[in-house]
Amino acid sequence: EPEVTQTPSHQVTQMGQEVILRCVPISNHLYFYWYRQILGQKVEFLVSFYNNEISEKSEIFDDQFSVERPDGSNFTLKIRSTKLEDSAMYFCASSDPTGYGELFFGEGSRLTVL
Amino acid sequence: KNEVEQSPQNLTAQEGEFITINCSYSVGISALHWLQQHPGGGIVSLFMLSSGKKKHGRLIATINIQEKHSSLHITASHPRDSAVYICAAPNTGNQFYFGTGTSLTVIP
Repeated sequence: EPEVTQTPSHQVTQMGQEVILRCVPISNHLYFYWYRQILGQKVEFLVSFYNNEISEKSEIFDDQFSVERPDGSNFTLKIRSTKLEDSAMYFCASSDPTGYGELFFGEGSRLTVL
Repeated sequence: KNEVEQSPQNLTAQEGEFITINCSYSVGISALHWLQQHPGGGIVSLFMLSSGKKKHGRLIATINIQEKHSSLHITASHPRDSAVYICAAPNTGNQFYFGTGTSLTVIP
């Protein structure tokens, strides 16, 4: 069964460092998403991406964040200068070409900022 | 102000009980998603619905667009149903709003 894969599963970084989280969405999906979940809190939307550009982003997704699809398969989330409050689980998801179809989630990347 | 409200926040049930989780939303949505988050943290999509009712095994999801309300029902609950159930609603621009989740524990 096709699945969304994320790497790394866990990353520990120092405050101020750049972090790149990687996702490989399901191959025929065209809509891609990043979400985050701070420990003990609800899932929060960060950004949606379609046709090689951001279609929606939340207030959380400020200038420190960027996304790209560098090679047609990977979908990356970059945090330019990490802060303590960026510590969270980051989930990537993709959905089918209709865009409002079922979401398929990766297992998540846990980011710990020290 | 939460665009998506879920209730209850926590629910404990005896095995075999019928369970209902509710979700109300205030945003204009294109569809509503019910998600299950396992104790290990992984998230699985259960349903995506824009009208009426869907059924998958012991799970049933309904939505009333006029009342901006959706329910997730679990019939004959089982301990393996223990998880956090999350309601999520994308607006027409595909920005998602999430409920806080309902933590379900089914006791044998």
